[in-house]
Amino acid sequence: ETGVTQTPRHLVMGMTNKKSLKCEQHLGHNAMYWYKQSAKKPLELMFVYNFKEQTENNSVPSRFSPECPNSSHLFLHLHTLQPEDSALYLCASSLGGDLNTGELFFGEGSRLTVL
Amino acid sequence: AQTVTQSQPEMSVQEAETVTLSCTYDTSESNYYLFWYKQPPSRQMILVIRQEAYKQQNATENRFSVNFQKAAKSFSLKISDSQLGDTAMYFCAFTPMDSNYQLIWGAGTKLIIKP
Repeated sequence: ETGVTQTPRHLVMGMTNKKSLKCEQHLGHNAMYWYKQSAKKPLELMFVYNFKEQTENNSVPSRFSPECPNSSHLFLHLHTLQPEDSALYLCASSLGGDLNTGELFFGEGSRLTVL
Repeated sequence: AQTVTQSQPEMSVQEAETVTLSCTYDTSESNYYLFWYKQPPSRQMILVIRQEAYKQQNATENRFSVNFQKAAKSFSLKISDSQLGDTAMYFCAFTPMDSNYQLIWGAGTKLIIKP
């Protein structure tokens, strides 16, 4: 297994569905992130977990619910999404704690389409 | 507010040419890291090069180098002897050293290397 793995790579869901995105890192890192990437816009940080504790929640709507059961796994639970939530969702990890240098290691992303 | 501006939405050059991507940022912090990340089509975002703001010497990584002008808050990326594999979105980002892991991102520059 290499680096940061995200599943599924593509997801199409209706506005009333409930689905989850999964991220797994094999780098021994202690911090994990969810970003939203939309075309021609800067990456939007959604959530940060450091040593399994959520440290950032950048005013993300409650229809997005993160879960971090351990330092290697991160989930993003989705429910009653809106079409404007369609985007590429990127997971990333970093060393975390006092070792953090800002360098992130990314997964390939989950392309979400909300109909 | 801290911001990153990439003024070139898209650029294209011939293979083997040198290309420079622009990035300016705005911050009141004195200690921070600067980054260039590369996102090839349908592939993972990866770190290209990193610069510590307290270092006067410009960072280099093989064909990639930066021109860091702290007073001007400018951080451009130069790619020498460009290759087809350099085709990608390039994102400039910075993080204050005490930022709780929040990177500030630019909107990206799409670079196309033509054969």
